[in-house]
Amino acid sequence: KNQVEQSPQSLIILEGKNCTLQCNYTVSPFSNLRWYKQDTGRGPVSLTIMTFSENTKSNGRYTATLDADTKQSSLHITASQLSDSASYICVVSEGFQKLVFGTGTRLLVSP
Amino acid sequence: DGGITQSPKYLFRKEGQNVTLSCEQNLNHDAMYWYRQDPGQGLRLIYYSQIVNDFQKGDIAEGYSVSREKKESFPLTVTSAQKNPTAFYLCASSMGTSGAYNEQFFGPGTRLTVL
Repeated sequence: KNQVEQSPQSLIILEGKNCTLQCNYTVSPFSNLRWYKQDTGRGPVSLTIMTFSENTKSNGRYTATLDADTKQSSLHITASQLSDSASYICVVSEGFQKLVFGTGTRLLVSP
Repeated sequence: DGGITQSPKYLFRKEGQNVTLSCEQNLNHDAMYWYRQDPGQGLRLIYYSQIVNDFQKGDIAEGYSVSREKKESFPLTVTSAQKNPTAFYLCASSMGTSGAYNEQFFGPGTRLTVL
């Protein structure tokens, strides 16, 4: 069964600290992997999209990595800000049409 | 949220009633999607449409219906046949017909509560 698993489920960090969120997937065939940020009660917003050949992609303080051999991805957040408090969702594209969503990591940045 | 709007933001429904959730986009995107989000679960696809006057069932289409009469509009009706409709509903759109290859842009969502 195609699945996307994220860890940890939730995380609390102090403002200014770095953190790394993990995503493991078993989706096949693989097209691309996306990270979304979702604020509470809002729609997800795309952070990065990586294809099979891309190992890393940055978007400001967000850096995503992809290891297609081990089917793992991570999202690293540098110098966290209070506005980073949100859920972060890993999404893997299966073939041409289907997206498989992870359940998300809920991040709380504390002052 | 880009150029995708959803209305209303909050919706309350009595058991046995049908309700329609609105989704409009001004991005000139070809494809549109409806997802359902429940606590502790990943987003699940309800219906999607790649072109006007055509739509396909997703993973959890039972109890829902859609129409695509205009490129910019993709309303979702939650019927009384949907046994557990309380959830957060998200509409999305993408350029081109492949939701897996092309980036999907999401609306702000509608929270539906059954009383």
